[in-house]
Amino acid sequence: ETGVTQSPTHLIKTRGQQVTLRCSSQSGHNTVSWYQQALGQGPQFIFQYYREEENGRGNFPPRFSGLQFPNYSSELNVNALELDDSALYLCASRGTGPFGTQYFGPGTRLLVL
Amino acid sequence: AQSVTQLDSHVSVSEGTPVLLRCNYSSSYSPSLFWYVQHPNKGLQLLLKYTSAATLVKGINGFEAEFKKSETSFHLTKPSAHMSDAAEYFCVVSEANNEKLTFGTGTRLTIIP
Repeated sequence: ETGVTQSPTHLIKTRGQQVTLRCSSQSGHNTVSWYQQALGQGPQFIFQYYREEENGRGNFPPRFSGLQFPNYSSELNVNALELDDSALYLCASRGTGPFGTQYFGPGTRLLVL
Repeated sequence: AQSVTQLDSHVSVSEGTPVLLRCNYSSSYSPSLFWYVQHPNKGLQLLLKYTSAATLVKGINGFEAEFKKSETSFHLTKPSAHMSDAAEYFCVVSEANNEKLTFGTGTRLTIIP
């Protein structure tokens, strides 16, 4: 196991709603990243947080936002849900050092109807 | 910009025979390269990583990969396939000190008894 947990495991929402996904990183890991994995695709980078500040973002609109807390937990928030937001959402916490490995959680599967 | 191309979307091998999963990368800088495995309904697990040290990298469960700069390749191999190797495999590249990871589209490995 990677020591990274995510909740909930599954979620069903309707178009236009808002959703919050949660991640608990390994203790001591100051960097957390979020990825979206659509069905049959590889994960795509959404954004990264380091010490509670966003410090990198992929090609996702502003309705995707996040928070990171001092207790190594983090959130991904998505507003105005669209059908194409249906996917597996993965968080990854990064170990320390210049080549710290990213450890992934099991993911939250979101279905937007 | 960084990218990876996984040359086969699906590979089938018989149990006990060698495995070869092919990956080519594109990167403007000296890249870090990874192979991750994803079993059904489970999170991503790191198999191995290359970070500019030895070009032949050994990973978990008997897998290894060779970094070939002249060919921009990072193919994954295993001498003898086991039934438990059946999964989705992702080749991944990172330029910026292992922060943003760029995933390939994945190769589904099927093991024939």
